[in-house]
Amino acid sequence: DIQMTQSPSTLSASVGDRVTITCRASQSISGWLAWYQQKSGKSPKLLIYQVSALESGVPSRFSGSGAGTDFTLTINGLQPEDFATYYCQQYSDDWTFGQGTKVEMK
Amino acid sequence: QVQLQESGAGLVKPSETLSLTCSVSGDSMHDFHWGWIRQPPGKGLEWIGNIYTTGPTKYNSSLVSRLTISVDTSKRQFYLRLHSVTAADTAVYYCTRHRYGFGSAFWGQGILVSVSS
Repeated sequence: DIQMTQSPSTLSASVGDRVTITCRASQSISGWLAWYQQKSGKSPKLLIYQVSALESGVPSRFSGSGAGTDFTLTINGLQPEDFATYYCQQYSDDWTFGQGTKVEMK
Repeated sequence: QVQLQESGAGLVKPSETLSLTCSVSGDSMHDFHWGWIRQPPGKGLEWIGNIYTTGPTKYNSSLVSRLTISVDTSKRQFYLRLHSVTAADTAVYYCTRHRYGFGSAFWGQGILVSVSS
């Protein structure tokens, strides 16, 4: 089974900050990686698929990068509505989620 | 607009079977993967398994011995059955639609299932 290690688990930031979350796979997953945002009590929302493709309607301040086993989600200019928990997901071999990163207000 | 809605018992006794239905509206079921994901209270997301419209399934290796996922496209529904449940199976259960290569863009609102006597 492919394991996904996400870091950090918690991140304190302020509005306007540039935020970076990393996700490492235990083996190469090619480009089959997605990022989701989950707000408290809500279903996850797809932000990015295939490493860097922005889902329709997602603001351009969100971006994804990486290849092979190492991937990054970046939020350029954190907005108040971005405080949430973020998960990476590989779908190369079955599906696996990272443990999540909670972005909280500094 | 695609909508998914989970339904089923919210309370299941230990050792019994958890059964959930996901009802799909707003689009055809064909050519998609339909998945189940759960989230224990205060914890992260765990993939349970998924099924393609024509029937092939993939299951989480930690659950495979207790798990059955099936689909009925005529009813526009797919199903989860998890046998021999314990308190560790208490979670919010989500159903999702996954377009191959494009992630899970549509999710149900989730249903809390508690395992308790």
